[in-house]
Amino acid sequence: GAGVSQSPSNKVTEKGKDVELRCDPISGHTALYWYRQSLGQGLEFLIYFQGNSAPDKSGLPSDRFSAERTGGSVSTLTIQRTQQEDSAVYLCASSLPGGGRTQYFGPGTRLLVL
Amino acid sequence: GQQVMQIPQYQHVQEGEDFTTYCNSSTTLSNIQWYKQRPGGHPVFLIQLVKSGEVKKQKRLTFQFGEAKKNSSLHITATQTTDVGTYFCASVTPKFYFGSGTKLNVKP
Repeated sequence: GAGVSQSPSNKVTEKGKDVELRCDPISGHTALYWYRQSLGQGLEFLIYFQGNSAPDKSGLPSDRFSAERTGGSVSTLTIQRTQQEDSAVYLCASSLPGGGRTQYFGPGTRLLVL
Repeated sequence: GQQVMQIPQYQHVQEGEDFTTYCNSSTTLSNIQWYKQRPGGHPVFLIQLVKSGEVKKQKRLTFQFGEAKKNSSLHITATQTTDVGTYFCASVTPKFYFGSGTKLNVKP
């Protein structure tokens, strides 16, 4: 079946502009995660959605970052007033509900802020 | 949170040599997962360990979970160039805490 998809695959923007990154999880996966990965670095947790529960936003680095998940499926990560340090690969992952479930990652969106 | 520390950060080996990466936590972990990320790719699930002292094998890969469930290791026997990539451990609470990863380079 289809895996996790993300769009766009690459995004180049100017400092100060807003960007929206999209994630389509695997059908039936109620858990959805966003991570940020800077070049050569590990995975930085951003936000976690689980079903209809309030999202865990504890990893968002500033109030310029926000995310929503509509209808329990598609998620959008929005970065307002982008800064050069926001340049990174933004990865989305989904999993079945419950603890200890395998995460399936999308290909990521490479964001470059000039 | 259940932070995990991973060492080493980098490892360069000659093809055929063994490789080990270690994952350590100051708190007891409910379970741990291992992922591999090829250069330019995204992380892919390898395995999950749940039980204290658990050992699992996948061909040349051996995964261990410590008796106290505070540490884990991934050992690759006789590395091949296809093993190149970054290996991450992740604790699951259900929020995932990923280690910083060990980047493996294998010289042919």
